[in-house]
Amino acid sequence: KQEVTQIPAALSVPEGENLVLNCSFTDSAIYNLQWFRQDPGKGLTSLLLIQSSQREQTSGRLNASLDKSSGRSTLYIAASQPGDSATYLCAVRSGTYKYIFGTGTRLKVLA
Amino acid sequence: KAGVTQTPRYLIKTRGQQVTLSCSPISGHRSVSWYQQTPGQGLQFLFEYFSETQRNKGNFPGRFSGRQFSNSRSEMNVSTLELGDSALYLCASSLDLVSHEKLFFGSGTQLSVL
Repeated sequence: KQEVTQIPAALSVPEGENLVLNCSFTDSAIYNLQWFRQDPGKGLTSLLLIQSSQREQTSGRLNASLDKSSGRSTLYIAASQPGDSATYLCAVRSGTYKYIFGTGTRLKVLA
Repeated sequence: KAGVTQTPRYLIKTRGQQVTLSCSPISGHRSVSWYQQTPGQGLQFLFEYFSETQRNKGNFPGRFSGRQFSNSRSEMNVSTLELGDSALYLCASSLDLVSHEKLFFGSGTQLSVL
């Protein structure tokens, strides 16, 4: 059974800092992994999708890496801004195609 | 292009009642999935529909059901509501079931069961 863990659960950093969010999964037989952002009371916005055959994806200040063999993915945020404050979730698509979500990392960027 | 639309945005019900939530996917998207989000359990998969057929189902009781129409719009129904059903219900759509498709989420329906 696939399980997805995100560490840390919460993170508070000063503006301008580079930061790394972690996602671990127990079954390496995945189709893809997505990183999402969720603002309070809102739906999720897809940030980056990494296919199982890929090692990383980049979009602007965001870079996500995938290491299937170790069951890990990281989301790197460069030069953080207060507008980056949100909950970040990773989700793994595996097994019968359904997505399993991590519990998220709540990020606060202080101005 | 309009995003994923969920209605209603908020719902208040009492125990024992039933509720129907609606989701209109992005135009052209054929896959719709539903999730329940609570502070304690996080995001949990309910079910996924593709071309009017349920393709996947999560570990929820039979009180939770859904369907998809020929225009890809989807509804989910919860019967005999319990206090523990209070949650944010999220719908997501994607073009297809294949592995490279991003999920696009609606803003959700916040259900409160009193």
